[in-house]
Amino acid sequence: GEDVEQSLFLSVREGDSSVINCTYTDSSSTYLYWYKQEPGAGLQLLTYIFSNMDMKQDQRLTVLLNKKDKHLSLRIADTQTGDSAIYFCAESSGGYQKVTFGIGTKLQVIP
Amino acid sequence: EAGVTQSPTHLIKTRGQQATLRCSPISGHTSVYWYQQALGLGLQFLLWYDEGEERNRGNFPPRFSGRQFPNYSSELNVNALELEDSALYLCASSSYRDTGTFFGQGTRLTVV
Repeated sequence: GEDVEQSLFLSVREGDSSVINCTYTDSSSTYLYWYKQEPGAGLQLLTYIFSNMDMKQDQRLTVLLNKKDKHLSLRIADTQTGDSAIYFCAESSGGYQKVTFGIGTKLQVIP
Repeated sequence: EAGVTQSPTHLIKTRGQQATLRCSPISGHTSVYWYQQALGLGLQFLLWYDEGEERNRGNFPPRFSGRQFPNYSSELNVNALELEDSALYLCASSSYRDTGTFFGQGTRLTVV
């Protein structure tokens, strides 16, 4: 079955880079996503990557995918206090399919 | 363009009652998904509706049910509420034309 794992907590200083890691088990995963959830809010789609890509960059966000090891990471450059949130790694086998989520990594940014 | 909208934002029910949660997908999206986010348990997949049909169901008891209407909006019904049903219920929508599944702000259900 599908499983997505990620660490529960990450603390970084403002201005540093944050790297949030994730592993998944479903070899048929086609889309890998990163979602952000601020306190009391729903989930916001931050970025996604297709399984045939190694890297995707979007402003301060860099997603790296190692398909062989089924490892996904999200790097946030110049982390700001507004980046404090829970970040969910997720995968689906198609753009029109159920998305399976990790438990979420709580990012704490220290001023 | 409006995103996924859910109502109500908060709902308080007593044990044994029924709760009805509503979701309107993004215009043009035909798939609606329901997730439960209970404290400390992450996001658990509940139900997936597409074109009015239930396509997939997570590992939840039958008292969790729902439906999708011809306009693609959806309802989640939870019967015989238990205290453990207290959670944030998130609705999401997607379309074969779009990449990504987009979420609403959720309904916070509290069972007392």
